[in-house]
Formats: sequence, C-alpha cells, structure tokens
Amino acid sequence: KNQVEQSPQSLIILEGKNCTLQCNYTVSPFSNLRWYKQDTGRGPVSLTIMTFSENTKSNGRYTATLDADTKQSSLHITASQLSDSASYICVVPQGGSQGNLIFGKGTKLSVKP
Amino acid sequence: NAGVTQTPKFRVLKTGQSMTLLCAQDMNHEYMYWYRQDPGMGLRLIHYSVGEGTTAKGEVPDGYNVSRLKKQNFLLGLESAAPSQTSVYFCASSYPDILYGYTFGSGTRLTVV
Repeated sequence: KNQVEQSPQSLIILEGKNCTLQCNYTVSPFSNLRWYKQDTGRGPVSLTIMTFSENTKSNGRYTATLDADTKQSSLHITASQLSDSASYICVVPQGGSQGNLIFGKGTKLSVKP
Repeated sequence: NAGVTQTPKFRVLKTGQSMTLLCAQDMNHEYMYWYRQDPGMGLRLIHYSVGEGTTAKGEVPDGYNVSRLKKQNFLLGLESAAPSQTSVYFCASSYPDILYGYTFGSGTRLTVV
C-alpha cells in the first residue's frame, strides 16, 4: 500500500535550537518528494521538491535530505525561529502522477521563546 | 500576484443545505484540485481537473460535485450538506509537470450543523 509516514507527530523546541523531522514512504514508482510548511489557518506552502537523484537540498534554514534506497527523507531546521511554528507535511506523488499525491499527516512543530 | 483565492473563508451550513465554494487562480495553471483536511489525517483529494471543461474523481468524491467552465476557476458544490462534510477545504493549482509543486489557497472552514 502506498503510504507516507511522518515522525514525530509533534515536537516542541526552544528558539535557536535545531531539529530534524522524519518521513518514510512506500510509494512506488517514485518520482519526487516534497516538503510543505502549513501555518495554522493557512494553506500549505512548498519548501522543497527533491528528485530521485538529489540527496540534499537547502532552502534558507531548511535542509531536506533524501535516501531513495531506504525510502527515507528528513527535514532539518537550523537555528529555529518562532515563525517556524507550523505543521510540516511530507508529500509523494503516486505513480509519477501530478494528480495523485500521497500526503503524510504532518509533524506539528512548536518553537518556544 | 494573488495566486490561489478561495471564497468564502468561513461558512456554517445546516444539514441538507447546499453551497458552492469558489477557487480562482491567476497563474494560468492547467491543473486544479480540491482537498479536504480533517484533524489527524493527511489532505485527501476530492476532485481534480486537468483542464478547462474536464473533471475527475479523487479519493473522497461522494457528496461533492465540481465544475471547471473557465481555466482560472474551479467550483466545488455540496448539494445536500451533511455533518460528515465539516472540514477545512483547500483548493490548489499546478502545471502538469510532475516536478512542479502545488500552489494552495488559504482554505475554507466549513461547519455543517
């Protein structure tokens, strides 16, 4: 069964600290993996898209890694800020189809002062 | 640049009432989608469209209808609302390219009482 599973479900960290969020997927065939940030009461916003051949991709303080062999991805946030408080969602297209995305349930991150 | 605009932002319906949610995008995207987001679950696809005049069913289409008469607009209709349709609804749009991310609207929070 095609699935995307994220851990942890929720995370609380202090401002300035780093954190890493995990995503495991069983979607096949694989074309790319996406990370989205969703602020409370807002729609998801794309952080990064990683293809099969990319191991690491950065977007400011966000760095995503991908291991296509183990079907795992991580999102590392460096020097967290209060504005990083949000849900982070891992998404993988099923069957290489733009119209058929498998969404993880997300990790809810709270950054405290 | 407005991106994806959803109206209304909030709505309360009584069981059995009907309503239409409007999604408009100004990015000339071919593909448009309607998702619902419920607590503890990933986003689930209701219906989608790959071009003007076309629609297709997603994972949870029952109780909903859609229309795409113009490329920039995608309407989601509830003919007879049920409490199980209480949710946050998100519209998104994209280019067909599998390596292109989605742009989401800010959501419509619907409560059916």
